[in-house]
Amino acid sequence: SQTIHQWPATLVQPVGSPLSLECTVEGTSNPNLYWYRQAAGRGLQLLFYSIGIDQISSEVPQNLSASRPQDRQFILSSKKLLLSDSGFYLCAWNPGTYGYTFGSGTRLTVV
Amino acid sequence: DAKTTQPPSMDCAEGRAANLPCNHSTISGNEYVYWYRQIHSQGPQYIIHGLKNNETNEMASLIITEDRKSSTLILPHATLRDTAVYYCIVLISGNTGKLIFGQGTTLQVKP
Repeated sequence: SQTIHQWPATLVQPVGSPLSLECTVEGTSNPNLYWYRQAAGRGLQLLFYSIGIDQISSEVPQNLSASRPQDRQFILSSKKLLLSDSGFYLCAWNPGTYGYTFGSGTRLTVV
Repeated sequence: DAKTTQPPSMDCAEGRAANLPCNHSTISGNEYVYWYRQIHSQGPQYIIHGLKNNETNEMASLIITEDRKSSTLILPHATLRDTAVYYCIVLISGNTGKLIFGQGTTLQVKP
């Protein structure tokens, strides 16, 4: 079956520290992968999307970067976190016709 | 992608039908109407989608007007667990679409 895994579920990091969030998909190959962020009380914002290994597009300028070292792995990173990076981060993949599937999310608090 | 307009909030009595409207007057001929919902602190969940015909699944029904400029998501018997933010999105189906979320409609189901 096709599943998406995202971890960690919660994370508290100090300002200026690095970040690495990982997302993996099982049961499919060459998926389109996406990173979204939802700040407190705000809507879902598309950050990055990837149609293949080393093919990543950024939707908004920001303090974050994304990488796709393997076909089914998508990583969200930052070298130095800002307070404004706090939020709920969601990974998603597009299986085609029947809508996107989202991971369970990572709640990041930068202190 | 075409934009959508939804009311910011709606209430519904438990056990009654919830009818959530969406306007998408600039929808293109190859764009589908997708509905997602996000329950608090979870990732969005796919509900249903359609092109021009009405659709029904185990979760909801989707009614699309003949001119395709608006649609209505119907939850036939709303329960308290249906309280969520509901997003209407128009999107070209397939792997190249980018799911862009608007503000959605916050549906409050009341006992």
